[in-house]
Amino acid sequence: DAKTTQPNSMESNEEEPVHLPCNHSTISGTDYIHWYRQLPSQGPEYVIHGLTSNVNNRMASLAIAEDRKSSTLILHRATLRDAAVYYCILKSSGTYKYIFGTGTRLKVLA
Amino acid sequence: DTGVSQDPRHKITKRGQNVTFRCDPISEHNRLYWYRQTLGQGPEFLTYFQNEAQLEKSRLLSDRFSAERPKGSFSTLEIQRTEQGDSAMYLCASSQGGSSYNSPLHFGNGTRLTVT
Repeated sequence: DAKTTQPNSMESNEEEPVHLPCNHSTISGTDYIHWYRQLPSQGPEYVIHGLTSNVNNRMASLAIAEDRKSSTLILHRATLRDAAVYYCILKSSGTYKYIFGTGTRLKVLA
Repeated sequence: DTGVSQDPRHKITKRGQNVTFRCDPISEHNRLYWYRQTLGQGPEFLTYFQNEAQLEKSRLLSDRFSAERPKGSFSTLEIQRTEQGDSAMYLCASSQGGSSYNSPLHFGNGTRLTVT
């Protein structure tokens, strides 16, 4: 499975945008980039996924570099409820298995 | 959508005892996953089912662990002869079927196991 690298932790001020980076230099052409987040005392929840083009949904935006070796999850306006661990996952085709790393712990300051 | 439910939420057991956890997936989801999570780590894949068939099992999974999904609905995860190293959060997730490899996972809130 291709590996992702994320910072261990980040801080953001409330109501400001947050850019969470993910490096995946060994990504293959058919790997999708998925993001999940895990709030305290809960199971992970799906945030967004994409292949090549940037993606937007009600929760976040996903910006994918042109060479696909990195991506950025963008929370447009952080709230205290966005404090969580954010996981960037490369999802291979041909398997239904998701492999989680250790993620980035996001702290949102009031 | 009632979500994925897991039972019990917490389980404390003595070393050497057997434990069983239950997961009820979202009703129309035919894929079901089990993960284990220890403090400060991301969820670790254990196994997954497509309907009642167990299609993949982690090589890290000891033979003390067994999972079933009779009739392709709920699933159980049993740990025999528990050890202190089995203490963790056990997470269940489900996803829709079909041909997409990218169906999002929906997780339950887990069963926290403490082995004393």
